[in-house]
Amino acid sequence: NAGVTQTPKFQVLKTGQSMTLQCAQDMNHEYMSWYRQDPGMGLRLIHYSVGAGITDQGEVPNGYNVSRSTTEDFPLRLLSAAPSQTSVYFCASGGQSNYGYTFGSGTRLTVV
Amino acid sequence: QQQVKQSPQSLIVQKGGISIINCAYENTAFDYFPWYQQFPGKGPALLIAIRPDVSEKKEGRFTISFNKSAKQFSLHIMDSQPGDSATYFCAASMSGAGSYQLTFGKGTKLSVIP
Repeated sequence: NAGVTQTPKFQVLKTGQSMTLQCAQDMNHEYMSWYRQDPGMGLRLIHYSVGAGITDQGEVPNGYNVSRSTTEDFPLRLLSAAPSQTSVYFCASGGQSNYGYTFGSGTRLTVV
Repeated sequence: QQQVKQSPQSLIVQKGGISIINCAYENTAFDYFPWYQQFPGKGPALLIAIRPDVSEKKEGRFTISFNKSAKQFSLHIMDSQPGDSATYFCAASMSGAGSYQLTFGKGTKLSVIP
């Protein structure tokens, strides 16, 4: 039981490049979310999903796309990276009977 | 608009002392209030949570106090230990479909010194 797995752990991108942050969970959780963490800002919700095929925007969605084709996977796509997207990204999942979110270990992204 | 305000930003406590972190919220629709603990290089982990139908919840050395009328809640860490040194986040969410849309405070970095 791996929990929530995020890859890669570290990434450096050039401005304008695209990439996908991967997130997978093996707990059969319905709910999955992406947060970004910036110094002094706490965690801010980017996008979330309440089940396969259903996604919605959070507080800071601009510049990011998501899709949820399976229960297990919830990738986050950056179409054209900007320095403002330099951050630590966390994926989290939760089940309907449990209000506690399980977070992954994060992806540290630097855009130069 | 910051919906969950957390204070202090940083806190230094002597080993064995009591650490107190406070949060205030604005949205009266919030009805679930978790606290998360985060160690450097790790993701946040759920520490303890409370619903507004109780005023206090205790798990070991960790206690949440909740004041619904004041829209405030706090985390107390009794007998603080160096291993408690971490960043703590309060959060809030609503029931139903919004239950996993957590709104976080900005965090408190706790340092427990021997």
